[in-house]
Amino acid sequence: DAGVIQSPRHEVTEMGQEVTLRCKPISGHDYLFWYRQTMMRGLELLIYFNNNVPIDDSGMPEDRFSAKMPNASFSTLKIQPSEPRDSAVYFCASRRDRSGTTFFGPGTRLLVL
Amino acid sequence: AQKVTQAQTEISVVEKEDVTLDCVYETRDTTYYLFWYKQPPSGELVFLIRRNSFDEQNEISGRYSWNFQKSTSSFNFTITASQVVDSAVYFCALTSGGQFYFGTGTSLTVIP
Repeated sequence: DAGVIQSPRHEVTEMGQEVTLRCKPISGHDYLFWYRQTMMRGLELLIYFNNNVPIDDSGMPEDRFSAKMPNASFSTLKIQPSEPRDSAVYFCASRRDRSGTTFFGPGTRLLVL
Repeated sequence: AQKVTQAQTEISVVEKEDVTLDCVYETRDTTYYLFWYKQPPSGELVFLIRRNSFDEQNEISGRYSWNFQKSTSSFNFTITASQVVDSAVYFCALTSGGQFYFGTGTSLTVIP
């Protein structure tokens, strides 16, 4: 069974550009999470979905960030416009149910110049 | 409120020493799950173990062992005979009420 798949693995962009990160959760998993990791702030939960519905987006930094989950096998995290302070590793993770184990994707390393 | 505390920010040990990583959690739920993850220098987050709140049996997997004690709300992780490949950041985590809470991580360096 394939794990959580994220693309791209690396992204370098210029300030002001739109960035779209993609995630395919493990098949059959009802929960999907987006995390951001930086040296300064550690791992932060940005948003999570249950059955494709956003449940808690209180961690989304500001309106420049948006996340969608159009179906059970795909989610996007979009930053528009991007800023240098958005540079981080963004992890997508999924979980089968309320009590299951959360599995993480390999992460997307984003650098905004 | 739910919370996971890893008081040890950084630990250094010499290869072959044993090392214990501490994790203390807080939750009001009676049903919850505890986890440990490893993040090696390559950056991925690797799942190590899951424990539910009703199972206080200690677990051993090779050189790894976990000590879960509800009385002290702790879920400590011991590496026996540490190796250089154990160098990583280790995160303790809690699932409670459907939410997932991470500790701040302990950075372990094993010196050859």
